[in-house]
Amino acid sequence: AQSVAQPEDQVNVAEGNPLTVKCTYSVSGNPYLFWYVQYPNRGLQFLLKYITGDNLVKGSYGFEAEFNKSQTSFHLKKPSALVSDSALYFCAVRDSGNTPLVFGKGTRLSVIA
Amino acid sequence: GAGVSQSPSNKVTEKGKDVELRCDPISGHTALYWYRQSLGQGLEFLIYFQGNSAPDKSGLPSDRFSAERTGGSVSTLTIQRTQQEDSAVYLCASSSTGAGANVLTFGAGSRLTVL
Repeated sequence: AQSVAQPEDQVNVAEGNPLTVKCTYSVSGNPYLFWYVQYPNRGLQFLLKYITGDNLVKGSYGFEAEFNKSQTSFHLKKPSALVSDSALYFCAVRDSGNTPLVFGKGTRLSVIA
Repeated sequence: GAGVSQSPSNKVTEKGKDVELRCDPISGHTALYWYRQSLGQGLEFLIYFQGNSAPDKSGLPSDRFSAERTGGSVSTLTIQRTQQEDSAVYLCASSSTGAGANVLTFGAGSRLTVL
């Protein structure tokens, strides 16, 4: 069965600095990888996904993520953090079959002005 | 509809009572999911419906939990004899198909508090 690990419960970064939110996964076969974001008092929103092709995928709000097959990782990155990026971030994975999408426990990002 | 609609948005109940939570997915979406979000527990998969296939119930935490989806559209999650540990936000999501790269659209959730 597929699984996701987000090793950090909380990430703090100063505004303007680069940010990284870590994610590793386990899946049989080729993975489909996703990042979702939950802003305070709002629903979960899709951010970006990796299916195939370039290992670096770009998403909404200037976020990007790098797929690393050898390390089974899919870390979320942004070159310059904004205070408005403060939110709860979830990594998710599924395999290529008809299986449910499995989420990690989430990482709370706090960007400090 | 334009989005995934869930009701009620908030539900407070007493321990031992039954509750029903409703999800109205995006029109035409064949896949529907229920997740539970508890503090510190992330998103816990509960159940997954895909078209006319038998649902994947592998995430349901106990036999007090059940869900159905009528006519391939609206879904109801039922929790019988609620316990305090059932307190959480229950999220519903739908997608155009169940497999592969399809993005889930989430509802705003139903916050359940069991006293």
